[in-house]
Amino acid sequence: EAGVTQFPSHSVIEKGQTVTLRCDPISGHDNLYWYRRVMGKEIKFLLHFVKESKQDESGMPNNRFLAERTGGTYSTLKVQPAELEDSGVYFCASSQDNYNEQFFGPGTRLTVL
Amino acid sequence: AQSVTQLGSHVSVSEGALVLLRCNYSSSVPPYLFWYVQYPNQGLQLLLKYTSAATLVKGINGFEAEFKKSETSFHLTKPSAHMSDAAEYFCAVSDQPGGYNKLIFGAGTRLAVHP
Repeated sequence: EAGVTQFPSHSVIEKGQTVTLRCDPISGHDNLYWYRRVMGKEIKFLLHFVKESKQDESGMPNNRFLAERTGGTYSTLKVQPAELEDSGVYFCASSQDNYNEQFFGPGTRLTVL
Repeated sequence: AQSVTQLGSHVSVSEGALVLLRCNYSSSVPPYLFWYVQYPNQGLQLLLKYTSAATLVKGINGFEAEFKKSETSFHLTKPSAHMSDAAEYFCAVSDQPGGYNKLIFGAGTRLAVHP
């Protein structure tokens, strides 16, 4: 069974540009989470989808971040325009429901110059 | 609100020595607690979890952790370190009791194992 996949693995962009990160959860998992780790600090929650609906987006830093999950399958996280402080590793995780463990992808390392 | 503190951002042990990675949490309700490991260039992998059953939890790769409510701790141990244990370890607590939901992570502890 394929795990959670994320694309790209690395992205280097200039400040002010736009970047879109993609996450493909494990097939059949209704729950999808985005997390971010900035420069060796703790991994922080960004948002949580249940199918295509945003269950909790309390961790989204500001309105430059837009997450979507059309059709309840894969999800994208767009940062527009990117700022220096957006650099970090963005993790995606999926779970069958709220009562089962989250499986994490390898992350996307974003560098904003 | 829940929070997690991992004492020691870097821990170094000799191969064959005891591994002890410390985690303290704060929670107003009985928590679910987790330890994840991240090997280089890989995603986070669940090592073990506490979900209000047995207080001593055994996980993969010989790791175990003990939930101590009186100390609000959930320290991770392994009797004998292997070189392959070198990785970064994260302690996490579930945001809501009785479920997994969003996770609150500690800052991580990088474990180095030397010959």
